[in-house]
Amino acid sequence: AQSVSQHNHHVILSEAASLELGCNYSYGGTVNLFWYVQYPGQHLQLLLKYFSGDPLVKGIKGFEAEFIKSKFSFNLRKPSVQWSDTAEYFCAVIIYGNNRLAFGKGNQVVVIP
Amino acid sequence: EAGVAQSPRYKIIEKRQSVAFWCNPISGHATLYWYQQILGQGPKLLIQFQNNGVVDDSQLPKDRFSAERLKGVDSTLKIQPAKLEDSAVYLCASSLEWPWGAMDNEQFFGPGTRLTVL
Repeated sequence: AQSVSQHNHHVILSEAASLELGCNYSYGGTVNLFWYVQYPGQHLQLLLKYFSGDPLVKGIKGFEAEFIKSKFSFNLRKPSVQWSDTAEYFCAVIIYGNNRLAFGKGNQVVVIP
Repeated sequence: EAGVAQSPRYKIIEKRQSVAFWCNPISGHATLYWYQQILGQGPKLLIQFQNNGVVDDSQLPKDRFSAERLKGVDSTLKIQPAKLEDSAVYLCASSLEWPWGAMDNEQFFGPGTRLTVL
């Protein structure tokens, strides 16, 4: 069964610091990769996604993620966070031939002003 | 456009009682999903509909959970009888297209129903 690993469940950092959240998946075939975000009191929403092509994907609000196939990873980055980036971030994967979106456990990120 | 609507937003019941959740997806979205999100975990797919047909219910505890999507639009998820471990947020999502590989496969999530089983 496919699985998605996210480490460092709780992350606390100051404004203007850089953020990197790790995501690893356990499947060697073709995948579609996603990062979802849930701001306090709001719905889950898509931050960015990867299907094919350029492994560096840019999303909303200055976020980007890089797909490294050899490392089965899809890490999320933002060079300079703001207080408004306080949220929970989920990595998710769909593997070829299985239309089920599998989520990681999430990263709770708190940005201190 | 209007988002995915869910009701109720909160529900508290005692174990062995029944409960039902309702979802209205975004207009025109063919695919509808129900997820269970237990505290501290990511959402887990319970069931997926394509129009009014079930595509994937392999992770649905069928002895107590049931779901339907009549007429391919609204959907209801029922738990009967509820257990303590069913306490979770139940999320409904919809997408325009089939999940795999389609450019319009983004899943749009509703606000969820927070269920507490005492």
